[in-house]
Formats: sequence, structure tokens, C-alpha cells
Amino acid sequence: DTGVSQDPRHKITKRGQNVTFRCDPISEHNRLYWYRQTLGQGPEFLTYFQNEAQLEKSRLLSDRFSAERPKGSFSTLEIQRTEQGDSAMYLCASSATGWETQYFGPGTRLLVL
Amino acid sequence: AQSVTQLDSHVSVSEGTPVLLRCNYSSSYSPSLFWYVQHPNKGLQLLLKYTSAATLVKGINGFEAEFKKSETSFHLTKPSAHMSDAAEYFCVVSLNSGGYQKVTFGTGTKLQVIP
Repeated sequence: DTGVSQDPRHKITKRGQNVTFRCDPISEHNRLYWYRQTLGQGPEFLTYFQNEAQLEKSRLLSDRFSAERPKGSFSTLEIQRTEQGDSAMYLCASSATGWETQYFGPGTRLLVL
Repeated sequence: AQSVTQLDSHVSVSEGTPVLLRCNYSSSYSPSLFWYVQHPNKGLQLLLKYTSAATLVKGINGFEAEFKKSETSFHLTKPSAHMSDAAEYFCVVSLNSGGYQKVTFGTGTKLQVIP
């Protein structure tokens, strides 16, 4: 399968713990996006990478959130000191420069107890 | 600024009857428009997209959408619903802003197909 993959698919953690999610985009795609989706809502943009450069961050991305894409391939999203309000589905998408279509991974569902 | 409004949070149709999922958008410039489908426990899948070519766009699984600039609408239709169409559908507006693709999702419409 050469689609976007995300790991883990599910994560349960206690409030105050740190969590890290991984996204592997389609190999030839240089653009990578992170979104958050809560129940009953559409995905909300969090941040965007072009190769290894993080070019845009939403105001939703508080200072507890950090994302990296060190080699311009896979990306990680870390949430420090998790709060119950962080419970959501975290989606990753990738696209190629010049192409607007984003291809989504299956998501990581986070539950903060 | 851009926004997208999905007028119905839930739509229920009988199998074999037409489907209409409504979407209106707002954008300062000519946007690209997409419909994505999300089945339970599965990732978002692209149904179709409009990128300033033909205003009637055909997608996968028999879906199509018509871009109407005068009405700022991009409604999704299908002539005959199938049980497998039951899912959540998202209308998306995308605008190239300074080399970055700014994407805004609607709140989604859950489609129920009754046997």
C-alpha cells in the first residue's frame, strides 16, 4: 500500500502525559498537513510542511503542540501535558507541489482520560 | 477569507432514490472545491474536485457535483443511492495563498440510506 500511513491508530493516555504521533506521506509528495477532527465536526487545519519547512501554523496549535518533519519525509506531531480537550482524531494528509488534492491517512484517535 | 457551509447535518434517503447534499462556499478569489467521503473508521477519500475547468464534475461511485458561481454552490448529487453510500460527506474549499494551500472543511453531512 503506497498511501498515507499513520501510527498509532489509537492512543489512550492520562491527562498530563506527552504523546507523539507519526505520519508517513506518499513518498513523492513534498507537502504534508496535520488536521484535528472532533466528533461532529469537519477536520480543522493545524499545520503544514513543504519539504522540511513548517510554513503555516493554525492558532489552534498551542505551545503544547509541536510538529516536525526533519528530513522532509515522515512527520511527527507531539502533544505535551495532554488535556482532556485534546481528545480527537488527528489526521495527516499529503500532496504534491502543484497539485491541490490532498490524500489523507486513516488518522490517530487520541483519548485523554 | 474563505468558508464553507453544509446546509444539512443529516440526510436520509431510501435506497434507489436520488441523493442531494448541499454545499455553499464563500471565497475572495476563485477557489478549488472538493467533496470527500468518510466511512466509519476509515480515512477521508476524495470523491471529486472542481478546479475551474468544466462546471459539472463527475466523481467516483456515480457521484457528481455542479459548480454554480452565481449561487456560490457546489452541491453533490447521485441519481440512485446505494447502501454502501452511507457515510459522512465533507465539502471543502481550497485556495492557493502565497504558495500554501489553505483548506477549509465544512462540518459534514451524514448520509443515511434506508433499505
